[in-house]
Amino acid sequence: DGGITQSPKYLFRKEGQNVTLSCEQNLNHDAMYWYRQDPGQGLRLIYYSQIVNDFQKGDIAEGYSVSREKKESFPLTVTSAQKNPTAFYLCASQQDNSYEQYFGPGTRLTVT
Amino acid sequence: QKEVEQNSGPLSVPEGAIASLNCTYSDRGSQSFFWYRQYSGKSPELIMSIYSNGDQEDGRFTAQLNKASQYVSLLIRDSQPSDSATYLCAVNMEGAQKLVFGQGTRLTINP
Repeated sequence: DGGITQSPKYLFRKEGQNVTLSCEQNLNHDAMYWYRQDPGQGLRLIYYSQIVNDFQKGDIAEGYSVSREKKESFPLTVTSAQKNPTAFYLCASQQDNSYEQYFGPGTRLTVT
Repeated sequence: QKEVEQNSGPLSVPEGAIASLNCTYSDRGSQSFFWYRQYSGKSPELIMSIYSNGDQEDGRFTAQLNKASQYVSLLIRDSQPSDSATYLCAVNMEGAQKLVFGQGTRLTINP
């Protein structure tokens, strides 16, 4: 089964703690993306990576960090510097030679 | 001006009618346009892609693109209650390997 997996589905953390969200794909896509979605809002781009060992900041990168050590994996760390981390986090991969993006099921992060 | 704009709704349509969703974009160089459906609490699902002016049909869904007027629309024929969802418009920005999403239109189909 080809697809994108994100874990966990729900995540709870205390304020001041860093937390890492997992994203794995077996679609063999080069490009991967992280978005944040707040209630009633569209998607805002956090970071993206077009190739292994390279990534670019999106529109709201402050307080987040990523790595891309393997083609299949693009983990996102929400640091304690992120002022409003509670949100729905979505990972996507993009079909090569296309702009079509496919999403994982998402991780709902709650920080209290 | 936002790069991709959609009416947030809610848009209410009776079952069996045609639902019409609209999206405008600011970048004249955009070449790829997408519609995603997002059920409450779930992730977006790609339902239509369109790249050239005119209509693109897939079952009950038709995407329409007018690059001169910089708008893209989605028509849903014979609307069903299962079509009730938020529909997101996404557009590529020229020269950038990324999409920009509108805020989405919430559609409700009333039985």
